Amino acid sequence: SQQGEEDPQALSIQEGENATMNCSYKTSINNLQWYRQNSGRGLVHLILIRSNEREKHSGRLRVTLDTSKKSSSLLITASRAADTASYFCATDVNTGTASKLTFGTGTRLQVTL
Amino acid sequence: GAGVSQTPSNKVTEKGKYVELRCDPISGHTALYWYRQSLGQGPEFLIYFQGTGAADDSGLPNDRFFAVRPEGSVSTLKIQRTERGDSAVYLCASSSRGAGELFFGEGSRLTVL
Repeated sequence: SQQGEEDPQALSIQEGENATMNCSYKTSINNLQWYRQNSGRGLVHLILIRSNEREKHSGRLRVTLDTSKKSSSLLITASRAADTASYFCATDVNTGTASKLTFGTGTRLQVTL
Repeated sequence: GAGVSQTPSNKVTEKGKYVELRCDPISGHTALYWYRQSLGQGPEFLIYFQGTGAADDSGLPNDRFFAVRPEGSVSTLKIQRTERGDSAVYLCASSSRGAGELFFGEGSRLTVL
């Protein structure tokens, strides 16, 4: 089953613009992660935000988490054509020694020149 | 190797046949995960191992699916009596103890004719 729902399902922007993707989930979580997937490839971890954090930055990425609304957003600033990919949020409910991630349905981002 | 390695990258088989998919995790990673991804969807959890034992196999769809990790490193996902609905990309990931981030392989694309 899919825990998260990403919004929008697809997003097309021009290079240099910012891209914002949203994720909603249903249950309490330990952390929330964002992954990127290029077409036909595996997933690459982008950023992890813990349930007691509200905002996190990594390079051109900014992630927010609102546990009261059970939602998160991923902002990519100054987008590049190379950012074209699918982006997935994943929630982790485990607090032990391993993660059990439940992925959302993904947002397909297209960045044009 | 440096990353998670999965073989074969592509497998075409006939309905009713037996299939094995192999995953070689990052050296030293104690946790190993199998996910299944259908076209246009996010990855769905199948099973994860902590060491040699299956810590959580709640995502395996039925008893035709089985996975092993006999020495706590390489894992094999086994599918008996394949059905057309088993067609998907099977993704393997590994993580180090206590870390939230998963490292994914490129996946094995299974097509059941």
